[in-house]
Amino acid sequence: DAKTTQPNSMESNEEEPVHLPCNHSTISGTDYIHWYRQLPSQGPEYVIHGLTSNVNNRMASLAIAEDRKSSTLILHRATLRDAAVYYCILRDVGGGSNYKLTFGKGTLLTVNP
Amino acid sequence: GAVVSQHPSWVICKSGTSVKIECRSLDFQATTMFWYRQFPKQSLMLMATSNEGSKATYEQGVEKDKFLINHASLTLSTLTVTSAHPEDSSFYICSAPSTRTSGGGDTQYFGPGTRLTVL
Repeated sequence: DAKTTQPNSMESNEEEPVHLPCNHSTISGTDYIHWYRQLPSQGPEYVIHGLTSNVNNRMASLAIAEDRKSSTLILHRATLRDAAVYYCILRDVGGGSNYKLTFGKGTLLTVNP
Repeated sequence: GAVVSQHPSWVICKSGTSVKIECRSLDFQATTMFWYRQFPKQSLMLMATSNEGSKATYEQGVEKDKFLINHASLTLSTLTVTSAHPEDSSFYICSAPSTRTSGGGDTQYFGPGTRLTVL
């Protein structure tokens, strides 16, 4: 899977929006952009994914650059429960069903009350 | 959403003993499951891919004779850490893919993890 680059850490205040960036300059045409997050002492959980168009779900929004070389995960109103490590992962779904996920270091999000 | 469970949630054992960790998909079938290991302050490292009815596929550097994986049914995979040593102490996490999410691109459902401490 192609590599992603994320800031090591970010801080936000409660009830404010949070924009978590991810660079993936070597993304290929068949790579989906997936975001997962891991709360302390828990397994990761799926947040959102997309291919080319911006995506919204109940947890977050995903804004994908037109050239697809970067994306931003948007938490519209951060809560203390959103404090976690956020992972941006590229998944190549072209040419087969290899479901493996390769985790980078992710971004540690701290939410201040 | 889909649920994956792990048992036990934590275990403490003596050096030299074997420990079995179970991973179950509760409301969906999983022909493939994954086992990860996570050391403190580090990211998840994929150990192996568990395939129902066939041998597991191990990542480079993971000893298959030490980390035995069995995927006997479509809802259960087990990881057995044989002859555990203190350096095997870690957070073990399993996952299973689900194609329920629409719009293409599979998603993974992760278990809550098992904390193994080897004394």
